[in-house]
Amino acid sequence: KAGVTQTPRYLIKTRGQQVTLSCSPISGHRSVSWYQQTPGQGLQFLFEYFSETQRNKGNFPGRFSGRQFSNSRSEMNVSTLELGDSALYLCASSFLDRAEGYTFGSGTRLTVV
Amino acid sequence: GESVGLHLPTLSVQEGDNSIINCAYSNSASDYFIWYKQESGKGPQFIIDIRSNMDKRQGQRVTVLLNKTVKHLSLQIAATQPGDSAVYFCAENSKTSYDKVIFGPGTSLSVIP
Repeated sequence: KAGVTQTPRYLIKTRGQQVTLSCSPISGHRSVSWYQQTPGQGLQFLFEYFSETQRNKGNFPGRFSGRQFSNSRSEMNVSTLELGDSALYLCASSFLDRAEGYTFGSGTRLTVV
Repeated sequence: GESVGLHLPTLSVQEGDNSIINCAYSNSASDYFIWYKQESGKGPQFIIDIRSNMDKRQGQRVTVLLNKTVKHLSLQIAATQPGDSAVYFCAENSKTSYDKVIFGPGTSLSVIP
């Protein structure tokens, strides 16, 4: 059974650019959540999607957006990148609409220079 | 706002000793708690979970204790091994915000051979 797949694994972008990250959940999982992880900050919730609908959003600026497709794959986009956006971006998927069975991908390491 | 916090950011233990990692939460509506282990370069990995109708749950070498009176959660690792060295996160989920999981800042466990 394939796990949660995030692409790309590593990314280097310049300030002001935009970036799109992809997350393919475990087959059959309909909920996808995104987190930002920075050194010393733990995991900060970005947003959660269930059946193509964003159900919850964390305290991030509007530059951070996401979407989910009918096959449950999800993308997140960050526009006008800032140095502070450098982080590990993690997605997690689950079958139910709650945290049971939450499975994380290995993340995308974004570096903004 | 609601948060889950850890008492100790770092913990060093001798190989073979037992480890205890503590966590405090503030949302009395939380009814599901999870412990995750994150190794370098990887996403968080599920260790064990517990529901609010339980006080204790055991897994393989790990035990989670939940004290709802003082809103405290702990993870006990028996006979700690070098492979247990990682960052450990507690997380909470509630029925009132079932689509959002709140993570603590993490505790770094270092096992001394």
